[in-house]
Amino acid sequence: GQQVMQIPQYQHVQEGEDFTTYCNSSTTLSNIQWYKQRPGGHPVFLIQLVKSGEVKKQKRLTFQFGEAKKNSSLHITATQTTDVGTYFCAGNTDKLIFGTGTRLQVFP
Amino acid sequence: NAGVTQTPKFQVLKTGQSMTLQCAQDMNHNSMYWYRQDPGMGLRLIYYSASEGTTDKGEVPNGYNVSRLNKREFSLRLESAAPSQTSVYFCASSGYGRAYGYTFGSGTRLTVV
Repeated sequence: GQQVMQIPQYQHVQEGEDFTTYCNSSTTLSNIQWYKQRPGGHPVFLIQLVKSGEVKKQKRLTFQFGEAKKNSSLHITATQTTDVGTYFCAGNTDKLIFGTGTRLQVFP
Repeated sequence: NAGVTQTPKFQVLKTGQSMTLQCAQDMNHNSMYWYRQDPGMGLRLIYYSASEGTTDKGEVPNGYNVSRLNKREFSLRLESAAPSQTSVYFCASSGYGRAYGYTFGSGTRLTVV
């Protein structure tokens, strides 16, 4: 069945450093979504990418969708302590399948 | 505007007991979903309802049943709870199925002893 893998599983960074998480699907996706979950909280929708090669930015966050629509990445520039949480990608074919998430810890 | 409301927030069950997790949304969304979240496993889809009157199995439906009571409400029932069902359960809704972002409830933390 469809699988969505994310790496790394954990990332610890110093405040001000950059962070990237990668998402790979075993099948071609119609679109991909990204969510953030704060510790003890619930997933919150960040963005959706639809087009091959699409790049979207939200302030310090840059999202990319691969040309083959099978992979995606989230890059955070100059992390802040407010970026702490787990970032999930979710790939869409006939179902929305969530990746395993990357837990980001930011040290001040 | 409350979004997606889940009750209860916490629950402890004994093995074999039954319970229903309640979920309601006030955004007039067509589609609703139940996920479970376990450490290291991400979010796994249990059941979903694409529209009022329909329900379908997700990745991990065994041991669960659902009811789409009306457009607002989608409940999840555990008929005979097992320790393997200890998890955090999230309900979510979306306006047009999978094409738009999901809005999640705050979750129910369930422990089965």
